[in-house]
Amino acid sequence: GQSLEQPSEVTAVEGAIVQINCTYQTSGFYGLSWYQQHDGGAPTFLSYNGLDGLEETGRFSSFLSRSDSYGYLLLQELQMKDSASYFCAVNDYKLSFGAGTTVTVRA
Amino acid sequence: DAGVIQSPRHEVTEMGQEVTLRCKPISGHDYLFWYRQTMMRGLELLIYFNNNVPIDDSGMPEDRFSAKMPNASFSTLKIQPSEPRDSAVYFCASSPGEREHNEQFFGPGTRLTVL
Repeated sequence: GQSLEQPSEVTAVEGAIVQINCTYQTSGFYGLSWYQQHDGGAPTFLSYNGLDGLEETGRFSSFLSRSDSYGYLLLQELQMKDSASYFCAVNDYKLSFGAGTTVTVRA
Repeated sequence: DAGVIQSPRHEVTEMGQEVTLRCKPISGHDYLFWYRQTMMRGLELLIYFNNNVPIDDSGMPEDRFSAKMPNASFSTLKIQPSEPRDSAVYFCASSPGEREHNEQFFGPGTRLTVL
């Protein structure tokens, strides 16, 4: 089966940088995905890492180290609209989601 | 494209009643997934289909739950009989294919309340 760990909550101010770590244990692994979910909304795809290294998409970046079974999502230049839950998910022909990290951005 | 469509958006029913949730995936997507989200258990995969065929239903909680995909543009998740512990948000998601398996497109969800 799959097991993922990520922090439950993070609070930061506008303009700051936040890093959400994710460690995983899995019997099969193709990659690590990140999804964002605003309160009352649906999860939306943010990024995917199939290989080791950093993927950058605008203000968001994601990193993967397969040897360490570790990844992170980096949110830069935080904005109020970034207040949401962020989920890491292991891709093994299907997605297994972590419990999510609630990011609260304060003015 | 309209995205993944789910109906109803909200459902309130009484314990013991049958509940049917519906999903229309994005046209051309080969994979369809049903998830359940609760505060206690997070986001759980219930079942997924590839080209209308159920591939993995290991997440279906018990025999009261069943899912079908009669064609490429429609799927249902049925709960019979429903119980209060089934109260959750149920999401349907679709994905274009195995190479893009990493990105799933979620519908708006159905918020189910069983009294």
